[in-house]
Amino acid sequence: GESVGLHLPTLSVQEGDNSIINCAYSNSASDYFIWYKQESGKGPQFIIDIRSNMDKRQGQRVTVLLNKTVKHLSLQIAATQPGDSAVYFCAELGSGFNKFYFGSGTKLNVKP
Amino acid sequence: NAGVTQTPKFRVLKTGQSMTLLCAQDMNHEYMYWYRQDPGMGLRLIHYSVGEGTTAKGEVPDGYNVSRLKKQNFLLGLESAAPSQTSVYFCASSSWTGNNQPQHFGDGTRLSIL
Repeated sequence: GESVGLHLPTLSVQEGDNSIINCAYSNSASDYFIWYKQESGKGPQFIIDIRSNMDKRQGQRVTVLLNKTVKHLSLQIAATQPGDSAVYFCAELGSGFNKFYFGSGTKLNVKP
Repeated sequence: NAGVTQTPKFRVLKTGQSMTLLCAQDMNHEYMYWYRQDPGMGLRLIHYSVGEGTTAKGEVPDGYNVSRLKKQNFLLGLESAAPSQTSVYFCASSSWTGNNQPQHFGDGTRLSIL
């Protein structure tokens, strides 16, 4: 999962395997969440979002699961590819106009 | 479609110098944001704007100023740079169409203060 600190947690997977990246959020009243992918030297790139009235949402090769009971979000990537290697972080919508709080991220390392 | 463009991409300053980071978006977005990203930490909001001519403070506004004279541009200024402001700065924008809209980011400005 994600944590604040100097060292990002790292997930290493074999190419072709499925990846699961986790995120714990803090505000039980948050009703909108986003997963971003950030490649080295690039800005965060939107992957998928989910609203609190949903438990699951699927995109192309990605699925986001939301467990409001334990305030947990996960990103599943199917058939992980080398191009998926990046830092992934979640964002939760805080109070105020479209203001988000971002996790520090998990580094995904895909081994060929 | 360029999206969000930040200039410059890299800059080295001496303590006490001033500079302006430029952000431009071509998506006609109402909202724009400036963040800083430090190693091992999540993005932290410096300032944001909900429309042309308006700005507001975020989490870590001290030492920075912003201006939104045109809808498509959001400028971040450092009046007197300090080593603690060494960071990667990201600009983002999002649309007006209701709340709960994803933010779209530029590729960042890497700033070092010596």
